[in-house]
Amino acid sequence: SAVISQKPSRDICQRGTSLTIQCQVDSQVTMMFWYRQQPGQSLTLIATANQGSEATYESGFVIDKFPISRPNLTFSTLTVSNMSPEDSSIYLCSVALSPSGNEKLFFGSGTQLSVL
Amino acid sequence: GQNIDQPTEMTATEGAIVQINCTYQTSGFNGLFWYQQHAGEAPTFLSYNVLDGLEEKGRFSSFLSRSKGYSYLLLKELQMKDSASYLCAVKDSNYQLIWGAGTKLIIKP
Repeated sequence: SAVISQKPSRDICQRGTSLTIQCQVDSQVTMMFWYRQQPGQSLTLIATANQGSEATYESGFVIDKFPISRPNLTFSTLTVSNMSPEDSSIYLCSVALSPSGNEKLFFGSGTQLSVL
Repeated sequence: GQNIDQPTEMTATEGAIVQINCTYQTSGFNGLFWYQQHAGEAPTFLSYNVLDGLEEKGRFSSFLSRSKGYSYLLLKELQMKDSASYLCAVKDSNYQLIWGAGTKLIIKP
């Protein structure tokens, strides 16, 4: 299993500012992902954080808006840049211990972001 | 397009049995997952099905029919702590996870 520490747990931010969310895992993991979950909606994958290279973004998400770092196999950050109220959501860090098909995901506790 | 359908909300009584259905239309299939998510918390893994049939884990069971694009999660002997959202997710041919919107289960005494 994996234990994930995600910070901050919640924040209220002003329009136009940026927030960086941190994800620390207690073991080295192959796959790290960043998700967004809006109220009453499904999880939406923002990007896969790749160690030592640029993140792989899903359709509708771009690096300028959601820059991601992954300096090693246990840590990643997601920045929400130039925020607007539409960015208000829960952001979740997730890991898989291997890329195999049946690998379950472990999730961080989430960051609840409110943009005023 | 790819689609996962689940009921938005269900209500059941403590001690009873409830079945939460999930139908999917995806480009390929490499397994189906069920996750539980309590309000304000992260999702936690419940079950994984890749072959047809029933997988039982204590009070929880999950069923899969690949030919019908259908799964259900069966919860027995319901407890108040089972009040949560239940998320169905399918891995497509590219091993990408497609998530349903979740079913909010309300347990009444």
